[in-house]
Amino acid sequence: DSGVTQTPKHLITATGQRVTLRCSPRSGDLSVYWYQQSLDQGLQFLIQYYNGEERAKGNILERFSAQQFPDLHSELNLSSLELGDSALYFCASSASLAENRYEQYFGPGTRLTVT
Amino acid sequence: AQTVTQSQPEMSVQEAETVTLSCTYDTSESNYYLFWYKQPPSRQMILVIRQEAYKQQNATENRFSVNFQKAAKSFSLKISDSQLGDTAMYFCAFMKGGGSEKLVFGKGTKLTVNP
Repeated sequence: DSGVTQTPKHLITATGQRVTLRCSPRSGDLSVYWYQQSLDQGLQFLIQYYNGEERAKGNILERFSAQQFPDLHSELNLSSLELGDSALYFCASSASLAENRYEQYFGPGTRLTVT
Repeated sequence: AQTVTQSQPEMSVQEAETVTLSCTYDTSESNYYLFWYKQPPSRQMILVIRQEAYKQQNATENRFSVNFQKAAKSFSLKISDSQLGDTAMYFCAFMKGGGSEKLVFGKGTKLTVNP
């Protein structure tokens, strides 16, 4: 158990809908990262938040958005869902100390199926 | 942009034997980190080992060790005394140092340990 929690574990929804994925980082970690794992694209970085502020952005679609709240949990919002958005979405967190911040610990993921 | 290549889509090894998974990367950065992550059938992403580019000594974690060849941009993972529980997808990942903390992943190698 990495200490990172994600809810829900599974989500099935229809095209055009909107969903919210939730992540709680390890206790004390200020950084949260979101990754998407799909069969055709592999594991891709989406976005990073550090202590409530967006810090880095990757290949995140405009239909997707994220935020990190004062209690450090994060939410990834996916809207106007398409079949191709079906994937495993991971959240990861890392410590704030200089060396350990390079180690990211992953949650169990949320499996999104768009039908 | 950095790229990570894992040229072995699948490998197999007999229990108790040693296996080496290959990874090459392309970067113009001098400050970076390399990682191996394990993804068993449960889909959880587990950090196996980390290597800092500025360190010449190869990292080791119990039965797992790396062969880091900086000039060749090669970062292989050696698993000694393979166990059935080592059966998993293994991903090589790159992270640029100096504040950009996103992970760039290879496509993975599926390792099967046979009894």
